[in-house]
Amino acid sequence: QVQLVQSGAEVKKPGASVKVSCQTSGYTFTDQYLHWVRQAPGQGLQWMGWINPKTGGTHSTRILRDRVSLTMDTSISTIYLELSGLRSDDTAIYYCARDSPVLAIKGFDVWGQGTRITVSS
Amino acid sequence: EIVLTQSPGTLSLSPGERATLSCRASQIFNSNWLTWYQQKPGQAPSLLIYAASTRATGVPDRFSGSASGTDFTLTIDRVEPEDFGVYFCQQYGVSLTFGGGTKVQI
Repeated sequence: QVQLVQSGAEVKKPGASVKVSCQTSGYTFTDQYLHWVRQAPGQGLQWMGWINPKTGGTHSTRILRDRVSLTMDTSISTIYLELSGLRSDDTAIYYCARDSPVLAIKGFDVWGQGTRITVSS
Repeated sequence: EIVLTQSPGTLSLSPGERATLSCRASQIFNSNWLTWYQQKPGQAPSLLIYAASTRATGVPDRFSGSASGTDFTLTIDRVEPEDFGVYFCQQYGVSLTFGGGTKVQI
């Protein structure tokens, strides 16, 4: 079955960078866009950006664009989110999610388990 | 950017009651771009309804969605204990945005 498995929780100091991985399996890696979404404690969902595994093209939300890097390693069907200049308000659970392959579904059909990132001095 | 405003923030119900959740958009868009997710505590969200009114595979028929202009509604007929959680709407047509969520609690 389709699975997205993310790397483990991390604690970082303000100003540092963090890199989260999301390894996919159970489908053809290059077939679907993959996204990153974060959720601060007790808050809603914030879409961060997508990567097109077929081309490596990326797009991220304007407010994070200067701090976000989206990359991938096709050989191991894995995408990465790197967030730099960490601040306390970056403390959140970070999810990767897959675009549904069903054309009618404009949304995500499979999500990773989430990675908790805590930014604290 | 399309802003999605969900209301109420919290809905307190008893099992068997009807839940009506609202998602209002800041501008009109194709209703096929509107998706609802359910999130249970400690879990990632899961796909519930897409194209505003079509239930995802395995979703019980007590869940239904509708659209009228910039207003989208998720209805749960006869709420069951496993339905408690947070519900988010999402539009994926003009970039991608989520609503702030509605918590359905006992």
